[in-house]
Amino acid sequence: DGGITQSPKYLFRKEGQNVTLSCEQNLNHDAMYWYRQDPGQGLRLIYYSQIVNDFQKGDIAEGYSVSREKKESFPLTVTSAQKNPTAFYLCASISGGAGDQPQHFGDGTRLSIL
Amino acid sequence: DQQVKQNSPSLSVQEGRISILNCDYTNSMFDYFLWYKKYPAEGPTFLISISSIKDKNEDGRFTVFLNKSAKHLSLHIVPSQPGDSAVYFCAASALGAGSYQLTFGKGTKLSVIP
Repeated sequence: DGGITQSPKYLFRKEGQNVTLSCEQNLNHDAMYWYRQDPGQGLRLIYYSQIVNDFQKGDIAEGYSVSREKKESFPLTVTSAQKNPTAFYLCASISGGAGDQPQHFGDGTRLSIL
Repeated sequence: DQQVKQNSPSLSVQEGRISILNCDYTNSMFDYFLWYKKYPAEGPTFLISISSIKDKNEDGRFTVFLNKSAKHLSLHIVPSQPGDSAVYFCAASALGAGSYQLTFGKGTKLSVIP
């Protein structure tokens, strides 16, 4: 079945450590997105990528970095510069450019600070 | 400044009755509106969308109404079922930087009581 796979489901980070969250899709979608969800909050856009080797900052990009070397993969690195990284992280993808095309989401990674 | 607002954090409805979830927005440039459903520890799944040029869209038990002059939309679920218990996010789509971006509300937690 086609879909988006995020791993790991749970991740713990020590202070000062960088961690990388994986996102893989086999939907042949062009665009991919990373969102952050905090309790009682909506989804906020961190980074997005419309094509391979290209990505743009979203609303809350500080302390995060991404790469898009392959169409299927869009990993997110939470750096030590992100002072409040504890959150639920969601990856999404979309095939076309129409505004009513729904984004398909993975099941998320919950990141916690040790 | 929140561009998409879901002012009710939670809603309880008896099984079989109608659930009405509301959403307000401030940006007149939004072209499409989408509703997503989310279970705990899972990614959101797309429910239904509506174009800004329409005032109603229906899909089975789900109907979305758009009042453009009031910048208000609502999702009606009839009849409500216990499996509908989840967090519902309203999202609005606007073209920016060459692609459509979604802006999410904070969500409304629906509880359907058997």
